[in-house]
Amino acid sequence: AQKVTQAQTEISVVEKEDVTLDCVYETRDTTYYLFWYKQPPSGELVFLIRRNSFDEQNEISGRYSWNFQKSTSSFNFTITASQVVDSAVYFCALSEALRGAQKLVFGQGTRLTINP
Amino acid sequence: DTAVSQTPKYLVTQMGNDKSIKCEQNLGHDTMYWYKQDSKKFLKIMFSYNNKELIINETVPNRFSPKSPDKAHLNLHINSLELGDSAVYFCASSQGQGGFLDTQYFGPGTRLTVL
Repeated sequence: AQKVTQAQTEISVVEKEDVTLDCVYETRDTTYYLFWYKQPPSGELVFLIRRNSFDEQNEISGRYSWNFQKSTSSFNFTITASQVVDSAVYFCALSEALRGAQKLVFGQGTRLTINP
Repeated sequence: DTAVSQTPKYLVTQMGNDKSIKCEQNLGHDTMYWYKQDSKKFLKIMFSYNNKELIINETVPNRFSPKSPDKAHLNLHINSLELGDSAVYFCASSQGQGGFLDTQYFGPGTRLTVL
């Protein structure tokens, strides 16, 4: 069965600090996708990134970066020089592909608070 | 233009009532989904339709019935509402062409409160 674990329930840092959100997953599939979503206080779910299981290259997008390591089944997310607007709940998710649909299994979420 | 929209945004109702939540997407996607987010923020898939065909039907009480009149709409009807149904319900859509290749885009959510 697919499983995603985000062991950090809450993280609180001061603005401009770097912060890493951990994500560990379990799957028996050889092909899978991993995702990160952001849920700001306003409540919507915002797609951040998708990474497939064959591509272990790290990705950087502005202050955001992702480190995918198949050897440790981890897909960690780092925010550099954090800002108050980064305060949100962040979800890591693993996909299970079905015919014509995609079943996302979410982690429990990490609530990130950036203090001014 | 809102890509995935849901109505209503807030829904407060009494136990035992029947209510519906509507979802529409204008992304031209073939697949739509319903998720439930509980009070601890845990997100779990409930249903998925691809071109009006039910693809995913998780272990959900049969008081919940999805209806897809066309591929741009997926509504959620809930009968005999219970206190435990209080949650935020999210609609999402994806292209639906290959499962793995999809990215799901979510609506703003509907906060359902059952009194």
